[in-house]
Amino acid sequence: NAGVTQTPKFQVLKTGQSMTLQCAQDMNHEYMSWYRQDPGMGLRLIHYSVGAGITDQGEVPNGYNVSRSTTEDFPLRLLSAAPSQTSVYFCASSYSGGSVTYEQYFGPGTRLTVT
Amino acid sequence: AQSVTQPDIHITVSEGASLELRCNYSYGATPYLFWYVQSPGQGLQLLLKYFSGDTLVQGIKGFEAEFKRSQSSFNLRKPSVHWSDAAEYFCAVGAGEYGNKLVFGAGTILRVKS
Repeated sequence: NAGVTQTPKFQVLKTGQSMTLQCAQDMNHEYMSWYRQDPGMGLRLIHYSVGAGITDQGEVPNGYNVSRSTTEDFPLRLLSAAPSQTSVYFCASSYSGGSVTYEQYFGPGTRLTVT
Repeated sequence: AQSVTQPDIHITVSEGASLELRCNYSYGATPYLFWYVQSPGQGLQLLLKYFSGDTLVQGIKGFEAEFKRSQSSFNLRKPSVHWSDAAEYFCAVGAGEYGNKLVFGAGTILRVKS
Protein backbone atom coordinates (compact mmCIF):
# COMPACT_ATOMS: atom_id res chain seq x y z
CA ASN A 1 0.00 0.00 0.00
CA ALA A 2 1.20 3.50 -0.82
CA GLY A 3 -0.87 4.90 2.09
CA VAL A 4 -1.78 8.59 1.76
CA THR A 5 -0.14 10.41 -1.13
CA GLN A 6 -0.12 14.13 -1.81
CA THR A 7 0.90 16.13 -4.86
CA PRO A 8 2.62 18.44 -5.43
CA LYS A 9 5.25 18.45 -2.70
CA PHE A 10 6.01 22.15 -3.17
CA GLN A 11 4.10 24.93 -4.93
CA VAL A 12 4.53 28.67 -5.36
CA LEU A 13 1.51 30.73 -6.40
CA LYS A 14 0.89 34.36 -7.08
CA THR A 15 -1.95 36.12 -5.28
CA GLY A 16 -5.23 35.46 -7.07
CA GLN A 17 -4.15 32.27 -8.81
CA SER A 18 -6.06 29.06 -8.33
CA MET A 19 -4.81 25.53 -7.83
CA THR A 20 -5.78 22.10 -6.58
CA LEU A 21 -3.87 20.10 -4.03
CA GLN A 22 -4.28 16.40 -4.67
CA CYS A 23 -4.75 13.72 -2.02
CA ALA A 24 -5.27 10.02 -2.58
CA GLN A 25 -5.38 6.97 -0.33
CA ASP A 26 -5.43 3.27 -1.17
CA MET A 27 -6.61 1.91 2.17
CA ASN A 28 -10.36 2.13 1.44
CA HIS A 29 -10.81 4.63 4.26
CA GLU A 30 -14.18 6.34 4.51
CA TYR A 31 -12.91 9.38 6.39
CA MET A 32 -10.56 11.92 4.81
CA SER A 33 -9.56 15.38 5.93
CA TRP A 34 -7.34 18.36 5.20
CA TYR A 35 -5.28 20.25 7.76
CA ARG A 36 -3.01 23.25 7.49
CA GLN A 37 0.06 23.67 9.67
CA ASP A 38 1.36 27.08 10.63
CA PRO A 39 4.26 27.82 13.00
CA GLY A 40 3.20 27.96 16.63
CA MET A 41 -0.38 26.91 15.85
CA GLY A 42 -0.22 23.17 15.36
CA LEU A 43 -2.52 21.73 12.72
CA ARG A 44 -6.01 23.09 12.07
CA LEU A 45 -8.81 21.25 10.30
CA ILE A 46 -9.93 22.81 7.01
CA HIS A 47 -12.50 20.36 5.57
CA TYR A 48 -13.36 16.74 6.05
CA SER A 49 -15.39 13.99 4.42
CA VAL A 50 -17.04 10.91 5.92
CA GLY A 51 -17.56 9.25 2.55
CA ALA A 52 -17.99 9.80 -1.18
CA GLY A 53 -20.37 12.67 -1.84
CA ILE A 54 -20.28 13.96 1.76
CA THR A 55 -18.12 16.86 2.89
CA ASP A 56 -18.22 19.33 5.75
CA GLN A 57 -16.32 22.31 7.07
CA GLY A 58 -13.71 22.23 9.77
CA GLU A 59 -12.22 25.00 11.85
CA VAL A 60 -10.72 27.13 9.05
CA PRO A 61 -12.66 26.51 5.80
CA ASN A 62 -12.69 30.01 4.29
CA GLY A 63 -10.92 30.25 0.93
CA TYR A 64 -10.96 26.49 0.33
CA ASN A 65 -13.31 24.13 -1.49
CA VAL A 66 -13.44 20.34 -1.48
CA SER A 67 -15.37 17.57 -3.15
CA ARG A 68 -15.34 13.78 -2.76
CA SER A 69 -16.43 11.94 -5.88
CA THR A 70 -14.58 8.70 -5.05
CA THR A 71 -13.50 6.95 -1.85
CA GLU A 72 -9.84 7.27 -2.86
CA ASP A 73 -9.50 10.96 -3.71
CA PHE A 74 -10.10 14.17 -1.77
CA PRO A 75 -8.74 17.25 -3.59
CA LEU A 76 -8.46 20.66 -1.95
CA ARG A 77 -9.07 23.70 -4.16
CA LEU A 78 -7.84 27.22 -3.65
CA LEU A 79 -9.99 29.40 -5.92
CA SER A 80 -8.10 32.69 -5.43
CA ALA A 81 -4.91 32.26 -3.45
CA ALA A 82 -3.98 34.80 -0.77
CA PRO A 83 -0.69 35.24 1.13
CA SER A 84 -2.53 34.13 4.31
CA GLN A 85 -2.82 30.69 2.72
CA THR A 86 0.93 30.20 2.78
CA SER A 87 1.22 27.06 4.86
CA VAL A 88 1.98 23.36 4.87
CA TYR A 89 -1.08 21.28 4.00
CA PHE A 90 -1.62 17.74 5.22
CA CYS A 91 -4.18 15.24 4.09
CA ALA A 92 -5.25 12.43 6.43
CA SER A 93 -7.50 9.38 6.23
CA SER A 94 -8.96 6.76 8.53
CA TYR A 95 -11.73 4.25 8.92
CA SER A 96 -14.88 5.71 10.41
CA GLY A 97 -18.07 4.71 12.08
CA GLY A 98 -19.17 2.19 14.64
CA SER A 99 -18.28 2.81 18.24
CA VAL A 100 -14.53 3.07 17.79
CA THR A 101 -12.19 5.81 16.78
CA TYR A 102 -9.53 4.77 14.36
CA GLU A 103 -5.97 5.94 13.80
CA GLN A 104 -5.57 8.64 11.17
CA TYR A 105 -2.82 8.29 8.60
CA PHE A 106 -1.18 11.47 7.35
CA GLY A 107 0.32 12.23 3.97
CA PRO A 108 3.78 13.78 3.57
CA GLY A 109 2.41 17.31 3.10
CA THR A 110 2.37 20.04 0.46
CA ARG A 111 4.34 23.22 1.18
CA LEU A 112 2.50 26.15 -0.44
CA THR A 113 3.85 29.68 -0.75
CA VAL A 114 1.64 32.51 -2.02
CA THR A 115 3.47 35.66 -3.06
CA ALA B 1 -15.08 24.15 22.34
CA GLN B 2 -12.33 21.62 22.48
CA SER B 3 -8.77 22.81 22.95
CA VAL B 4 -5.33 21.42 23.65
CA THR B 5 -2.51 23.23 25.43
CA GLN B 6 1.13 22.24 25.25
CA PRO B 7 2.80 24.66 27.66
CA ASP B 8 6.37 24.07 26.51
CA ILE B 9 7.33 25.37 23.07
CA HIS B 10 10.89 24.03 23.29
CA ILE B 11 12.48 21.43 25.54
CA THR B 12 16.14 20.42 25.58
CA VAL B 13 17.27 17.21 27.28
CA SER B 14 20.55 15.32 27.35
CA GLU B 15 20.78 12.01 25.58
CA GLY B 16 19.97 9.24 28.04
CA ALA B 17 17.93 11.52 30.30
CA SER B 18 14.23 11.05 30.94
CA LEU B 19 11.61 13.10 29.14
CA GLU B 20 8.15 14.36 29.96
CA LEU B 21 6.11 16.49 27.55
CA ARG B 22 3.02 18.11 28.98
CA CYS B 23 -0.43 18.22 27.43
CA ASN B 24 -3.66 19.60 28.87
CA TYR B 25 -6.98 19.36 27.09
CA SER B 26 -10.44 20.82 27.33
CA TYR B 27 -13.26 18.52 26.25
CA GLY B 28 -16.74 17.92 27.56
CA ALA B 29 -16.99 14.17 27.16
CA THR B 30 -14.57 11.28 27.50
CA PRO B 31 -11.75 12.33 25.23
CA TYR B 32 -9.97 10.47 22.50
CA LEU B 33 -6.33 11.52 22.95
CA PHE B 34 -3.33 11.17 20.70
CA TRP B 35 0.35 11.96 20.54
CA TYR B 36 1.98 12.46 17.14
CA VAL B 37 5.61 13.07 16.22
CA GLN B 38 6.87 15.05 13.25
CA SER B 39 10.48 14.94 12.08
CA PRO B 40 11.70 17.95 10.05
CA GLY B 41 10.09 18.07 6.62
CA GLN B 42 8.05 14.96 7.29
CA GLY B 43 4.43 14.08 7.90
CA LEU B 44 2.98 13.05 11.24
CA GLN B 45 3.43 9.65 12.81
CA LEU B 46 1.18 8.35 15.55
CA LEU B 47 3.07 7.52 18.76
CA LEU B 48 0.15 6.37 20.88
CA LYS B 49 -3.53 6.86 21.56
CA TYR B 50 -5.99 6.67 24.42
CA PHE B 51 -9.65 5.80 23.93
CA SER B 52 -10.68 4.12 27.17
CA GLY B 53 -9.54 1.56 29.71
CA ASP B 54 -6.07 1.52 31.24
CA THR B 55 -4.95 5.10 31.78
CA LEU B 56 -1.29 4.29 31.10
CA VAL B 57 -0.81 3.59 27.41
CA GLN B 58 2.27 2.31 25.66
CA GLY B 59 3.30 3.47 22.24
CA ILE B 60 6.02 3.01 19.69
CA LYS B 61 9.68 3.92 20.13
CA GLY B 62 9.53 3.38 23.92
CA PHE B 63 7.06 6.19 24.62
CA GLU B 64 4.20 6.04 27.09
CA ALA B 65 1.50 8.47 28.21
CA GLU B 66 -0.77 8.67 31.20
CA PHE B 67 -4.34 9.94 31.08
CA LYS B 68 -5.36 11.83 34.22
CA ARG B 69 -8.98 12.88 34.08
CA SER B 70 -8.81 14.92 37.29
CA GLN B 71 -6.02 17.05 35.82
CA SER B 72 -7.27 17.02 32.20
CA SER B 73 -3.79 15.93 31.23
CA PHE B 74 -2.19 13.40 28.90
CA ASN B 75 1.56 13.76 29.40
CA LEU B 76 4.04 11.90 27.23
CA ARG B 77 7.06 10.22 28.82
CA LYS B 78 10.16 8.34 27.83
CA PRO B 79 12.67 6.98 30.38
CA SER B 80 15.79 7.44 28.24
CA VAL B 81 15.94 9.79 25.26
CA HIS B 82 17.92 8.99 22.14
CA TRP B 83 19.34 11.59 19.72
CA SER B 84 16.92 10.31 17.08
CA ASP B 85 13.98 11.47 19.25
CA ALA B 86 14.69 15.10 18.33
CA ALA B 87 11.51 16.22 16.57
CA GLU B 88 8.30 18.15 17.16
CA TYR B 89 5.61 16.48 19.22
CA PHE B 90 1.92 17.19 18.98
CA CYS B 91 -0.84 16.30 21.40
CA ALA B 92 -4.35 16.10 19.95
CA VAL B 93 -7.89 15.45 21.11
CA GLY B 94 -10.39 13.74 18.81
CA ALA B 95 -13.60 15.74 18.52
CA GLY B 96 -16.82 14.96 16.66
CA GLU B 97 -19.03 11.89 16.80
CA TYR B 98 -16.26 9.37 16.17
CA GLY B 99 -13.31 11.43 17.36
CA ASN B 100 -12.00 11.86 13.83
CA LYS B 101 -11.82 15.65 13.92
CA LEU B 102 -8.46 16.23 15.55
CA VAL B 103 -7.79 19.39 17.54
CA PHE B 104 -4.04 19.83 17.93
CA GLY B 105 -1.89 21.60 20.42
CA ALA B 106 0.75 24.05 19.17
CA GLY B 107 3.50 21.46 19.51
CA THR B 108 6.68 21.03 21.55
CA ILE B 109 10.06 20.99 19.83
CA LEU B 110 12.43 18.53 21.47
CA ARG B 111 16.16 19.07 21.20
CA VAL B 112 18.56 16.36 22.39
CA LYS B 113 22.05 17.26 23.62
CA SER B 114 24.81 14.73 23.14
